[in-house]
Amino acid sequence: GQQLNQSPQSMFIQEGEDVSMNCTSSSIFNTWLWYKQDPGEGPVLLIALYKAGELTSNGRLTAQFGITRKDSFLNISASIPSDVGIYFCAGQQPSGTYKYIFGTGTRLKVLA
Amino acid sequence: GAGVSQSPSNKVTEKGKDVELRCDPISGHTALYWYRQSLGQGLEFLIYFQGNSAPDKSGLPSDRFSAERTGGSVSTLTIQRTQQEDSAVYLCASSPPLYETQYFGPGTRLLVL
Repeated sequence: GQQLNQSPQSMFIQEGEDVSMNCTSSSIFNTWLWYKQDPGEGPVLLIALYKAGELTSNGRLTAQFGITRKDSFLNISASIPSDVGIYFCAGQQPSGTYKYIFGTGTRLKVLA
Repeated sequence: GAGVSQSPSNKVTEKGKDVELRCDPISGHTALYWYRQSLGQGLEFLIYFQGNSAPDKSGLPSDRFSAERTGGSVSTLTIQRTQQEDSAVYLCASSPPLYETQYFGPGTRLLVL
């Protein structure tokens, strides 16, 4: 099925560093969601974005809904070992009020 | 409160057998989704239920896959005559009325030998 282009695919960073990842699409979205998935668990919602240009924070996490409505980014500041996991973006297309397209994920590994 | 629950958490079956996967959504959530996640991949939409409306089955990969939702709550995903390529994590999610954000269960890890 259709998927978003999420990058980077994986990253290794040192504890304390900031992290940035993004999702891009050729089509516009109404809503962007960011999820984190720990090994053996289901995805957990981190941030939801509902309006173009919206910038939302959740603790050390900040996400933005791109002004073109075709992209979104997620930043993690001062990373800690428990940030390890897979981060997924999901976009809701205007034509499908309930269907979300998911990115392929960014695998984050934090080195203590 | 209780989140989305799924059972079993793990299932190993032989090729050709049928399997049933269960999802209990969050109480009061009217929408329920099933997704499939293959190893190292993103989430593939399978089916969507909303209240009493006809489900959107457009994501089901073959007629071996079916799902039902009884009483607007619990849902069962059935895979008949399982194949090795059916091996994946099957995730269920639910969302409350008027909001589209989805809350996921822990998934069922299916291995078809």
